[in-house]
Amino acid sequence: LAKTTQPISMDSYEGQEVNITCSHNNIATNDYITWYQQFPSQGPRFIIQGYKTKVTNEVASLFIPADRKSSTLSLPRVSLSDTAVYYCLGARSGNTPLVFGKGTRLSVIA
Amino acid sequence: GAGVSQSPSNKVTEKGKDVELRCDPISGHTALYWYRQSLGQGLEFLIYFQGNSAPDKSGLPSDRFSAERTGGSVSTLTIQRTQQEDSAVYLCASSPGTAYYEQYFGPGTRLTVT
Repeated sequence: LAKTTQPISMDSYEGQEVNITCSHNNIATNDYITWYQQFPSQGPRFIIQGYKTKVTNEVASLFIPADRKSSTLSLPRVSLSDTAVYYCLGARSGNTPLVFGKGTRLSVIA
Repeated sequence: GAGVSQSPSNKVTEKGKDVELRCDPISGHTALYWYRQSLGQGLEFLIYFQGNSAPDKSGLPSDRFSAERTGGSVSTLTIQRTQQEDSAVYLCASSPGTAYYEQYFGPGTRLTVT
């Protein structure tokens, strides 16, 4: 699966929109771009997934350009409870194990 | 409904001892995965089971690690002759089937080898 690169850490104030960009230059045709969120002492939790263009759910939006070499997770109006590590990864159906990098540690400040 | 559960939540063991970690996946999920997360690191894939197929053991770091899944449900990860470098959080995840991309994770077992 594709190797992904994302910032190690980000800081934001409450109420701001946060955008975390991930690069995945070698993503395969059948990989979906998937984001997980992990709070301390918990397992990762699925946030959002997309193939191309834009996907939005109740938690976040995901923007994927036509070349699919990068993606941006957008968290609207973050709160302190959004402080977590966010992982970008390529995912493929057929029960392929997920390949996690170190993720982006987001710290939301009051 | 109930999520993925793991036990124990914490385990402290002496170097050289064997340990067993248990995972109860979501009922009806056919795929089950084990990952390991060392302090401040991302997740490292260990092994996965899909239905009655032979497990994919490609991520196991050594032959001291083994896992089984009984009756297509509960899984046990066994680490023999534990070493200090085995200290980590061991996470289990399950998935409904081959058409799904999302995995549901349990809270993990924190293993400390002294």
